[in-house]
Amino acid sequence: AQSVAQPEDQVNVAEGNPLTVKCTYSVSGNPYLFWYVQYPNRGLQFLLKYITGDNLVKGSYGFEAEFNKSQTSFHLKKPSALVSDSALYFCAVRAGGGTYKYIFGTGTRLKVLA
Amino acid sequence: NAGVTQTPKFQVLKTGQSMTLQCAQDMNHNSMYWYRQDPGMGLRLIYYSASEGTTDKGEVPNGYNVSRLNKREFSLRLESAAPSQTSVYFCASSELNRVAGEKLFFGSGTQLSVL
Repeated sequence: AQSVAQPEDQVNVAEGNPLTVKCTYSVSGNPYLFWYVQYPNRGLQFLLKYITGDNLVKGSYGFEAEFNKSQTSFHLKKPSALVSDSALYFCAVRAGGGTYKYIFGTGTRLKVLA
Repeated sequence: NAGVTQTPKFQVLKTGQSMTLQCAQDMNHNSMYWYRQDPGMGLRLIYYSASEGTTDKGEVPNGYNVSRLNKREFSLRLESAAPSQTSVYFCASSELNRVAGEKLFFGSGTQLSVL
């Protein structure tokens, strides 16, 4: 069975500081990993994904994430946070090899303080 | 470029009433999904349709039914609404066979309250 854990309900960071939002996963076979962001009263928007290749992937709005197979993690990072990055962030996984299910974590609320 | 369109945006039901949430996508995607979002629970998969003509249960299918009407449309039905089904519902679509382009596209959501 697939599962995703986001251990932090909320992350607070000062504007200009680096940020990390954590995600760990459990899946049989190769994982397809995703990050989505939800701004207030909006739907979810795609940020980035890891399918194969380089473990460090870059996405929208200056975000990046590092795939770590040994730690089964896919943490979201940004070198310098902006107040406008404040939102709800979701990690998701799909097991490669024929399943069509995307399973999401519980979400982490990021608050960037001015 | 409408993407994924959901209707209605808001709905209030009484316990025991039925309703259907509609979803349509114009991206020619094979796969479509219904999720519910609840505080502290994140997004949970209700049902999905890998391709036209197929549907499968997700994590929380009880109390729901779905219909993949054609490649564009995927509806979610609550036969007898319960207060526990108060939630925000999101429809999404994806094209899994395009590795470079694989990602979920979401609708804007339906806020459902069951009294």
